[in-house]
Amino acid sequence: EDQVTQSPEALRLQEGESSSLNCSYTVSGLRGLFWYRQDPGKGPEFLFTLYSAGEEKEKERLKATLTKKESFLHITAPKPEDSATYLCAVQAEGYQAGTALIFGKGTTLSVSS
Amino acid sequence: DVKVTQSSRYLVKRTGEKVFLECVQDMDHENMFWYRQDPGLGLRLIYFSYDVKMKEKGDIPEGYSVSREKKERFSLILESASTNQTSMYLCASRPDRRFTYNEQFFGPGTRLTVL
Repeated sequence: EDQVTQSPEALRLQEGESSSLNCSYTVSGLRGLFWYRQDPGKGPEFLFTLYSAGEEKEKERLKATLTKKESFLHITAPKPEDSATYLCAVQAEGYQAGTALIFGKGTTLSVSS
Repeated sequence: DVKVTQSSRYLVKRTGEKVFLECVQDMDHENMFWYRQDPGLGLRLIYFSYDVKMKEKGDIPEGYSVSREKKERFSLILESASTNQTSMYLCASRPDRRFTYNEQFFGPGTRLTVL
C-alpha cells in the first residue's frame, strides 16, 4: 500500500537553531515528491518538487533533499515566521492513475525568538 | 500567478441541508481536486476531475458528489449534510495529467460546520 509518513509530528525550535523534518515514503513508482507549507486556517502553499534520488532544492532558509526512501526538509537558522505546518506529498504511478497526491499528516514547526 | 478561489471561507449549515462548495481557477488547468482536512487524518482525496464533464472518485467519496460543467469551475456537493462532514475543504488544480510532474495549487479552504 502506498504510504507517506512524516516525523516528528511537532517540533519546537529556538530562533537560529537548525533542524530537519523527515518524510519517508513507500510507493510503487515515484513520479514526484512535493513539499508544502500551510499556515493555520489557510490552504497549502507549494514549496518544492523533487523527482529523483540525489536531487536537492533550496529556497531561502529551506533545503529539500531526496533519497530512494525518504526526503528531508532542512531548516537553517529558522526565524519565527517559519512557524507553520509542513506537508509532504508524493505522486505515484499506482495511485489514482498517477494524477493525485498522497499526503503525509504534516510536521508542525514552532520557532520562538 | 496561479489563483484558486473558493466561494466561502466559513460556512455553517444544518443537518440534512444540501451544500454547494464552489472552486474556480484562472490558469486553464485541466485537473482539479477536492480534499478534506481533519486533525490527525491529514488531507484526504474526495473527488477529482481530469477535464470538463469528467470525474473520478477519490478515497472518501461517500456522501459527496461533484460537477464540472466548465473548465475553470469544480463544485463539491454534499447531498444531505451530516455532522461528520464538518471539516476544512480544500480545492486544488494542476495542468494536464500528461505533464506528470506538475505541482497542485491550492485554494484558501472552506471551513464547513454542520450543526
